Amino acid sequence: SAVISQKPSRDICQRGTSLTIQCQVDSQVTMMFWYRQQPGQSLTLIATANQGSEATYESGFVIDKFPISRPNLTFSTLTVSNMSPEDSSIYLCSVTDLNTEAFFGQGTRLTVV
Amino acid sequence: EDQVTQSPEALRLQEGESSSLNCSYTVSGLRGLFWYRQDPGKGPEFLFTLYSAGEEKEKERLKATLTKKESFLHITAPKPEDSATYLCAVSTTGNQFYFGTGTSLTVIP
Repeated sequence: SAVISQKPSRDICQRGTSLTIQCQVDSQVTMMFWYRQQPGQSLTLIATANQGSEATYESGFVIDKFPISRPNLTFSTLTVSNMSPEDSSIYLCSVTDLNTEAFFGQGTRLTVV
Repeated sequence: EDQVTQSPEALRLQEGESSSLNCSYTVSGLRGLFWYRQDPGKGPEFLFTLYSAGEEKEKERLKATLTKKESFLHITAPKPEDSATYLCAVSTTGNQFYFGTGTSLTVIP
């Protein structure tokens, strides 16, 4: 199993600012995912972050808005840039090796005012 | 196109009223199918992994089964504390991981 520490757990941000969310894993993992979960909705994959390469973004998500770093096999960051109220959501970091279940951080609850 | 679909979207049960949640999948190659429970404001909590058709897993009042096209999560004699959103996910031989949209379960005392 993997233990994931995600920070911050919540934040309230002003419109137009940026927030960087950190995800630390207690073991080396190949694949890291960033999800968004809007109120009452299921998980939507933003991007897959693999160490040593550019993140792969899903349709509707772009690097300029959600830049991702993956400097090593235990750490990643997601930045939500130039925020608007529509970005208010829970952001979740997840890891898996695809042969076992995905493990999740507790999420970052973002409110943009 | 790979796809994971869950039904129903929402389910209300009386305490003790057994039922099943469905997860249908269409993927190029299945590595594993996973069930999660998610409580409001929290990350998904892992329940089961199923790897091959015919496989079954049980935990307390929950039982997960898998066929070549779908998985069922059976809830026997549910209690109010079973109220949550149940998510299904699949990993594929194409190195993808997909979540379904979830079933919101409410168990009424």
